[in-house]
Amino acid sequence: RKEVEQDPGPFNVPEGATVAFNCTYSNSASQSFFWYRQDCRKEPKLLMSVYSSGNEDGRFTAQLNRASQYISLLIRDSKLSDSATYLCVVPPMDSSYKLIFGSGTRLLVRP
Amino acid sequence: EADIYQTPRYLVIGTGKKITLECSQTMGHDKMYWYQQDPGMELHLIHYSYGVNSTEKGDLSSESTVSRIRTEHFPLTLESARPSHTSQYLCASSETGQGSGNTIYFGEGSWLTVV
Repeated sequence: RKEVEQDPGPFNVPEGATVAFNCTYSNSASQSFFWYRQDCRKEPKLLMSVYSSGNEDGRFTAQLNRASQYISLLIRDSKLSDSATYLCVVPPMDSSYKLIFGSGTRLLVRP
Repeated sequence: EADIYQTPRYLVIGTGKKITLECSQTMGHDKMYWYQQDPGMELHLIHYSYGVNSTEKGDLSSESTVSRIRTEHFPLTLESARPSHTSQYLCASSETGQGSGNTIYFGEGSWLTVV
């Protein structure tokens, strides 16, 4: 099993829709997780961190399900500007500091 | 906003040339990384460093080399560039510590084209 897995998408949704995608991880001991956003041909930027049960920031909600070992990202009232690739990031299974990046989920918000 | 800078942002060079991609951060972070990413593809870690005089190979084999003589500086060098090295190179850093210390910050990337 890969250390982190994401549905590549694309998720194609209309403006105003609510969309959610998940990320599964292997390391049951992981404590901190992150969602990054990457626009086309740009660098990844931190969107949200998830340390406990969840985190909410405006239209974005990240949740952690330790029992099933996945984190989710919910986007409400989607905007055209939300179109991007969303990367899930989890700590490594070894003692290194090499964070593990998922391959990303692509979101397309249409007018 | 992250204080991590990469130069050059865009570079087109001929095969066989030696190039160095510069990366500097002013956040005092101990950990630094180089990732390689082709358009539309996933990130691949090619080098990382835990601190001064510490460098390690990443998960993806790379013909590039790195050095870490100063905390803030982590240059990447290709001794003899080839067309297969054409890609985007992203430098990143994070601070030591638990929790938020794992947050990683990226530079804007260096787009390399080898012709």
